[in-house]
Amino acid sequence: GENVEQHPSTLSVQEGDSAVIKCTYSDSASNYFPWYKQELGKGPQLIIDIRSNVGEKKDQRIAVTLNKTAKHFSLHITETQPEDSAVYFCAALRPDSNYQLIWGAGTKLIIKP
Amino acid sequence: KAGVTQTPRYLIKTRGQQVTLSCSPISGHRSVSWYQQTPGQGLQFLFEYFSETQRNKGNFPGRFSGRQFSNSRSEMNVSTLELGDSALYLCASRSSDFSYNEQFFGPGTRLTVL
Repeated sequence: GENVEQHPSTLSVQEGDSAVIKCTYSDSASNYFPWYKQELGKGPQLIIDIRSNVGEKKDQRIAVTLNKTAKHFSLHITETQPEDSAVYFCAALRPDSNYQLIWGAGTKLIIKP
Repeated sequence: KAGVTQTPRYLIKTRGQQVTLSCSPISGHRSVSWYQQTPGQGLQFLFEYFSETQRNKGNFPGRFSGRQFSNSRSEMNVSTLELGDSALYLCASRSSDFSYNEQFFGPGTRLTVL
């Protein structure tokens, strides 16, 4: 079955710098890759997603890139701000999996002032 | 539109007891998924219900069970509680049977087993 690995588990960056979180997946049939952000005391919330027919997607300061050949996708956050501090989860979806997402283990992003 | 609500928000139980958690999805959403979240373990999928039927199930023992009612509200039950069941239990709802639909998470129920 599908397996998603997420790195690093913790990332600390200076405010204003960029942050990159990487996920690799095992099943080449996976075709949908969302990223969720979980702030303290809240449930995760979708921040951006990408489908396998697209290589990159941007939304203001965040972007996701997908490399289907290498089977990895990454979240890029530019000009980081204190409110970016949270846990970020990646996930992957196979089209024949009965809509079940396979989740990465999460990355705790710390923005240092 | 009201978000996903979970009750109770906090719960303390002792080993051997059983517990029932409740989740009310966003109005119109027919899919409800349950997750267990522990520090360092990420989101562990428990099960998903769609239109009152369990559609997917994770790798949890039979002590973990769930159900969904005709109004899409869902309950999760854990019997014979163990210390390792202490976790944040999250539920998430989706609007339809479309695979790319966003999951909307509730704030979770924090369960502590003593």
